[in-house]
Amino acid sequence: AQSVTQPDIHITVSEGASLELRCNYSYGATPYLFWYVQSPGQGLQLLLKYFSGDTLVQGIKGFEAEFKRSQSSFNLRKPSVHWSDAAEYFCADGGGSNYKLTFGKGTLLTVNP
Amino acid sequence: SQTIHQWPATLVQPVGSPLSLECTVEGTSNPNLYWYRQAAGRGLQLLFYSVGIGQISSEVPQNLSASRPQDRQFILSSKKLLLSDSGFYLCAWSAESSSNQPQHFGDGTRLSIL
Repeated sequence: AQSVTQPDIHITVSEGASLELRCNYSYGATPYLFWYVQSPGQGLQLLLKYFSGDTLVQGIKGFEAEFKRSQSSFNLRKPSVHWSDAAEYFCADGGGSNYKLTFGKGTLLTVNP
Repeated sequence: SQTIHQWPATLVQPVGSPLSLECTVEGTSNPNLYWYRQAAGRGLQLLFYSVGIGQISSEVPQNLSASRPQDRQFILSSKKLLLSDSGFYLCAWSAESSSNQPQHFGDGTRLSIL
């Protein structure tokens, strides 16, 4: 079955430090990949998406992600984290299904002042 | 632009009581609609999805049901709530067809069962 793995359950970084959140997908054909962010008590907000073309995609709030087919990865990055980035981040893959997304279990980001 | 509304935002219900959560989408036609449940530390669980009026697909057997009486309305129901039904319920929509469409989420309903 298709799966999305986020290896890090919880990451803590200092404000101003760089960030990389890892995501690995299992779907062998063309994946359709997404990153979402969820603040406490809120719904999920789409940060960025990758379908094809340039493997480095830019999103909202200064985030970017790089698709690496050879590593089956789609890692999310930000050069300098702000305290307001503290949230849970979910990676998702829509490849292989016309309707459904397969979500990772999420990575909780804590930002220290 | 498209918007999605969920209500209520929070709900406290006794065990055995009925449930009705509503979700509506504006600004689009024939969306795919989804209900998810999010339990603490367990990620997102897809409960139901719908690709059209009256068309409901269930992902997991459970105490809940879903209905789509109108194109942009999706309802999550239960006749008798269980303690295990507690959680954060999210509604989402995506443009019809194709797997390259992102899902867009509502603000969720926090359901507590006493």
